[in-house]
Amino acid sequence: QKEVEQDPGPLSVPEGAIVSLNCTYSNSAFQYFMWYRQYSRKGPELLMYTYSSGNKEDGRFTAQVDKSSKYISLFIRDSQPSDSATYLCAMGLSGNTPLVFGKGTRLSVIA
Amino acid sequence: DTGVSQNPRHKITKRGQNVTFRCDPISEHNRLYWYRQTLGQGPEFLTYFQNEAQLEKSRLLSDRFSAERPKGSFSTLEIQRTEQGDSAMYLCASSLSDRPYGYTFGSGTRLTVV
Repeated sequence: QKEVEQDPGPLSVPEGAIVSLNCTYSNSAFQYFMWYRQYSRKGPELLMYTYSSGNKEDGRFTAQVDKSSKYISLFIRDSQPSDSATYLCAMGLSGNTPLVFGKGTRLSVIA
Repeated sequence: DTGVSQNPRHKITKRGQNVTFRCDPISEHNRLYWYRQTLGQGPEFLTYFQNEAQLEKSRLLSDRFSAERPKGSFSTLEIQRTEQGDSAMYLCASSLSDRPYGYTFGSGTRLTVV
């Protein structure tokens, strides 16, 4: 079992839909949870940075962490064609160890 | 500051040749990371530096791979005797040690070994 599991998709939704992206993990010691967006042929770009459990909202994006279930989610409201990209979840331990990434979910938002 | 810069953007090399990639991090970032990403996969950790010290290396990093960060500024990643399995996107990221997971990635160097 990989440390971080993420459904690779692809996921295709109509413009304006609410998108739900998820990751599960096996290492209960993870404390930091990130979401990155990666456009084709570009490096990943940090979207959300959260520590421990709970919710965090930033504009149309909401990140949720449920440590009891070892499950994290990213919600995108009012999705736009410009949101079409690969979304990577990533997790960290103490700050002195590197991030562990999921495989990424490819999202297409159709106009 | 223009972010994290990686050169070259693309490199095609013959099997058995040596290649070197360069990463220029954000100037005030003291941490620098190298990751490798293949098609359909997430980035896999290779190594990271805090200032000039190499603090961790993945077991993915065989003895054909070496990384340096002289003077704690730019970094180089060298692959000796390249193999077809080395074909991948090599990503560099930097961060501050007091916000260690706030990585800023470069656009990567795409290596093709033929």
